[in-house]
Amino acid sequence: KQEVTQIPAALSVPEGENLVLNCSFTDSAIYNLQWFRQDPGKGLTSLLLIQSSQREQTSGRLNASLDKSSGRSTLYIAASQPGDSATYLCAVRTGANSKLTFGKGITLSVRP
Amino acid sequence: DTGVSQDPRHKITKRGQNVTFRCDPISEHNRLYWYRQTLGQGPEFLTYFQNEAQLEKSRLLSDRFSAERPKGSFSTLEIQRTEQGDSAMYLCASSLMGRGGTDTQYFGPGTRLTVL
Repeated sequence: KQEVTQIPAALSVPEGENLVLNCSFTDSAIYNLQWFRQDPGKGLTSLLLIQSSQREQTSGRLNASLDKSSGRSTLYIAASQPGDSATYLCAVRTGANSKLTFGKGITLSVRP
Repeated sequence: DTGVSQDPRHKITKRGQNVTFRCDPISEHNRLYWYRQTLGQGPEFLTYFQNEAQLEKSRLLSDRFSAERPKGSFSTLEIQRTEQGDSAMYLCASSLMGRGGTDTQYFGPGTRLTVL
């Protein structure tokens, strides 16, 4: 059974800091991995999707990397801004199964 | 088409009542998913459809839950005889698989259910 872990549960940083959010998964046989952002009381916004054959994806100030062999992914946020404050969720799709298995998320607070 | 929509956004009901939620996916998407999210947790998979076929159901989906996607477009999720433990955010997502799609899942705003 695939399990996804995101530690720590919460993170507070000053504005402008570069930061890394970690995600680990137990079954390395994944199809793809997706990072989402969720604002309080809202749905999820897809940030980046990495296919199993890829090592990283970039979008603006965001860069996600994938190391299947070690069961890890990181989301790098450059020059953080208060508007980046949200919960960041990592989700893995395992093999041919289409469901996503989510971590519990990391709640990020960027202080002005 | 601006994205996945869900209706209603909020639902308060009394224990024992039946409720039905609707999800309208992005128009060309052939896959539709339902998830449930409780406070402080990540979303948990409930079920998904490819076109009108329901291909997988989670063990979380008890016999009080039923989902349909009759014409391969919108979907409904019904909960019968609601219990307080059903209180959660119900999220719908859609994706395009094949035909150049990457199966990236796009989520709707969710329906927040409160069972009193």
